[in-house]
Amino acid sequence: DAGVTQSPTHLIKTRGQQVTLRCSPKSGHDTVSWYQQALGQGPQFIFQYYEEEERQRGNFPDRFSGHQFPNYSSELNVNALLLGDSALYLCASSLGGQAVNEKLFFGSGTQLSVL
Amino acid sequence: KQEVTQIPAALSVPEGENLVLNCSFTDSAIYNLQWFRQDPGKGLTSLLLIQSSQREQTSGRLNASLDKSSGRSTLYIAASQPGDSATYLCAVRTSGTYKYIFGTGTRLKVLA
Repeated sequence: DAGVTQSPTHLIKTRGQQVTLRCSPKSGHDTVSWYQQALGQGPQFIFQYYEEEERQRGNFPDRFSGHQFPNYSSELNVNALLLGDSALYLCASSLGGQAVNEKLFFGSGTQLSVL
Repeated sequence: KQEVTQIPAALSVPEGENLVLNCSFTDSAIYNLQWFRQDPGKGLTSLLLIQSSQREQTSGRLNASLDKSSGRSTLYIAASQPGDSATYLCAVRTSGTYKYIFGTGTRLKVLA
């Protein structure tokens, strides 16, 4: 049973560029959430996708956007990269629209470095 | 606004010790609280989920308790092992939301 897979594992970009990160949820899961984790900090919620719609968004600028496909996989896009966007980006999947007491399953993350 | 705090930030103990990690949160209107483990540069693994109606959950050597009224949770690790070395994060899902608010974690090192 495949868990949550993210690609790429590492990425180096320069300021002003755009980046796309990808996530495939755990088999059977239909809900994908994205989190940003800066070094030494806890993850911060970016947004959640369910039924191909953004259902909730955290306190992130519009430069951060996403998409969910019919097969439940998801992409995170970041435009006009800033140095401060350097972080570990984590994808989490869950079942049933993240019903109240469903556990989150995380991927290993994409380490983004912006130079 | 929900805020989650974890104490201590770091902990170093000899193998075999029992230890307690603390998590506090400011808004008691929660659906649940999860404890996660994170190895360096890796994703998070869910250890225990405590529903708002529960007082504790146990899995092997791990026991997590929840006191909603005081806004606190503790993770108890019995007979610690070097393989337990990792960062432990607690996360709270506030009622009416889908997002989890995370603490900054406790970095645990168990010495052989």
